[in-house]
Amino acid sequence: DGGITQSPKYLFRKEGQNVTLSCEQNLNHDAMYWYRQDPGQGLRLIYYSQIVNDFQKGDIAEGYSVSREKKESFPLTVTSAQKNPTAFYLCASSRDSTETQYFGPGTRLLVL
Amino acid sequence: GENVEQHPSTLSVQEGDSAVIKCTYSDSASNYFPWYKQELGKRPQLIIDIRSNVGEKKDQRIAVTLNKTAKHFSLHITETQPEDSAVYFCAAGGYSTLTFGKGTMLLVSP
Repeated sequence: DGGITQSPKYLFRKEGQNVTLSCEQNLNHDAMYWYRQDPGQGLRLIYYSQIVNDFQKGDIAEGYSVSREKKESFPLTVTSAQKNPTAFYLCASSRDSTETQYFGPGTRLLVL
Repeated sequence: GENVEQHPSTLSVQEGDSAVIKCTYSDSASNYFPWYKQELGKRPQLIIDIRSNVGEKKDQRIAVTLNKTAKHFSLHITETQPEDSAVYFCAAGGYSTLTFGKGTMLLVSP
C-alpha cells in the first residue's frame, strides 16, 4: 500500500467551489476506487474504474466526478453540487476488480 | 446490490481475552471477504481475507471463518493486545466492487 499516494492530506473548500483530490499509484494496478468515510458509516463507494478510460458510479456518486486518463491516476472532483462534502476520502487500487484492494493515506476535506 | 451488516459496533475486552466480530451479507454471488484494520486517522489495512472455496483461514492470532450457506463470516482475534485496539471493517464482494460493514471499534484494556 506504500505505492498509493493521495494529496493533499487536508483540503479546505469554500462555498460554491469545486475541489480536486489526487490519487496516484505505481503498482501497475488496473482497478482504482474512491470511498467516502463518515463517522459510524463505514466506507461508501463513490466511483470506481476497472480500466483506463472507463469508470462507473458507486453508491453515492451524486455531486462527484472522476476521470481515468492514465492507468496510474484517478482524480476525484468534489463539485459545488455536493452539499455535505466534509469527510475523509480514501482512494484504493487493486490488480483487477476481483483482487485485494489497497488504500492510500486519505484526504480530509473540510468546508470553510 | 450487496448489503453487509456488522456486529457489534463496539467491543471492549481485557488484554489476553479473545474477540469475535461477526458479519452477514446478502448477495450469494459474493466470493471474497476481506477484513481491514483502521487505526485513528490512518488508512485501512488488510489483515486477513478469505475466498468462498475455503471455510476457515488462520494467520497467527487472527482467524476468519465463513459459512456460505448462512451467508455470514467472522473475525476471531485470540490473546488480544492493546495494539489490537482499532476499528475493524468486514467487506464482501469479489466480482467488481466491495461492500463494507459499518465497522467495529475494538478496545483492548491492559
